[in-house]
Amino acid sequence: DADVTQTPRNRITKTGKRIMLECSQTKGHDRMYWYRQDPGLGLRLIYYSFDVKDINKGEISDGYSVSRQAQAKFSLSLESAIPNQTALYFCATSDLAGYGYTFGSGTRLTVV
Amino acid sequence: AQSVSQHNHHVILSEAASLELGCNYSYGGTVNLFWYVQYPGQHLQLLLKYFSGDPLVKGIKGFEAEFIKSKFSFNLRKPSVQWSDTAEYFCAVSPSGSARQLTFGSGTQLTVLP
Repeated sequence: DADVTQTPRNRITKTGKRIMLECSQTKGHDRMYWYRQDPGLGLRLIYYSFDVKDINKGEISDGYSVSRQAQAKFSLSLESAIPNQTALYFCATSDLAGYGYTFGSGTRLTVV
Repeated sequence: AQSVSQHNHHVILSEAASLELGCNYSYGGTVNLFWYVQYPGQHLQLLLKYFSGDPLVKGIKGFEAEFIKSKFSFNLRKPSVQWSDTAEYFCAVSPSGSARQLTFGSGTQLTVLP
C-alpha cells in the first residue's frame, strides 16, 4: 500500500458543485500539505497542517478549505468549484523537521 | 518569503548528452534545497537534497547537484542522460532551522530523444 493515498484519482465535476478530495497517510507524520500543480507554475501550496489542531493557509487558499480529521487524514474541499480550479492536486506529508516529504499520487480534478 | 526560479522550461537532449538544469533561489537566510522528479503520470519523487556540509550532493540514478551559496544556485547535473530520464524536474527550497513548507520552482520538462 502507498504511504500517502489520495482519493479519488480522477474527478470531473460541474461548476458550483462542492467536492472533497481526501488524503490518508501511513507514514506517522504530523505534518500534511495540499499542493496544486498547474502547467508552467510548478506546485503551489494551498493549505498545510502541522498537527491535528493546527491549520494554516498557504499561497493560494482562496476558494478552498481543509479538515484535519486525524493525524493520518487531511481533506481538501472546494465549496463551490470553478473552472480555474481544474488542476492536479497533491497531498504530501513530512517529518517534524520538514526534511522528508512524501507525496501522494495526485488527484486530477476537472471542473466543467 | 523564499522563492525559486527555474529558467529552463523545456530541455530536449539526445541520449548520452550531458544535462544541467538551473535553479536559483531567493531567501535571506540559510536554506535546505531539494530536487524532485515527476515521471509521466506519477507523483513527485525525491532525487537529492542538501542541508549542510559538502556542497556537491549525489542523488539517485546518477544525478548530482552543486550548491553555490554566493550564486544562490543549486543546479542539477547528470553526465549522460537516458531516455528513461524523460520527466519533469522541480527544484524546491525551505528555510533551514525551522520546519517550514517547501516552495517549488515552476519545473523543467526534460525530453530525452532515443
